[in-house]
Amino acid sequence: DSGVTQTPKHLITATGQRVTLRCSPRSGDLSVYWYQQSLDQGLQFLIQYYNGEERAKGNILERFSAQQFPDLHSELNLSSLELGDSALYFCASSTSGGSDEQYFGPGTRLTVT
Amino acid sequence: AQKITQTQPGMFVQEKEAVTLDCTYDTSDPSYGLFWYKQPSSGEMIFLIYQGSYDQQNATEGRYSLNFQKARKSANLVISASQLGDSAMYFCAMGPPGGSNYKLTFGKGTLLTVNP
Repeated sequence: DSGVTQTPKHLITATGQRVTLRCSPRSGDLSVYWYQQSLDQGLQFLIQYYNGEERAKGNILERFSAQQFPDLHSELNLSSLELGDSALYFCASSTSGGSDEQYFGPGTRLTVT
Repeated sequence: AQKITQTQPGMFVQEKEAVTLDCTYDTSDPSYGLFWYKQPSSGEMIFLIYQGSYDQQNATEGRYSLNFQKARKSANLVISASQLGDSAMYFCAMGPPGGSNYKLTFGKGTLLTVNP
């Protein structure tokens, strides 16, 4: 158990809908990262937050947004969902957001039908 | 831009034997970190081992060791005394130079199967 929690574990929704994925980092970690894992694209970095502020952006679509709250939990919002958004979404956390290890949560499996 | 290449889509090893999973990387940054993660069939990503580009010695963590050859830009994972529970997908990853915008670039992964 990495100490990072993600909810829900599974999510099935229809195209055009909006969903919110939630992540709680390990105790004491200030940095949260979101990744998407799909069969065709592999594992891709989406976005990073550090202590409530956005710090780095990767291949995140405009339909996706995220935020980190004062209690350090983070939410990833996915809107106008398409079939291709079906993937495993991971949240990871690290102590500082620098060159330290990232610990991953169990992931949220999103299926868009 | 950083790139990670894992050329072995699948590997087989007999229980109790050692296995090496290959990883090569490409970057123009002088400072970087290299990571290995394990993803069992259950889906979670498990951190295994880390090597900093300026570390003088190869990293080791229990049965895992990282064979870091900087000149060749390779960071192979060696698993000694394989166990059935080692069967999983293994990802090599790289991070940019230290700082507050640290993000990981992953390879495509290698599926390791340990045979009894």
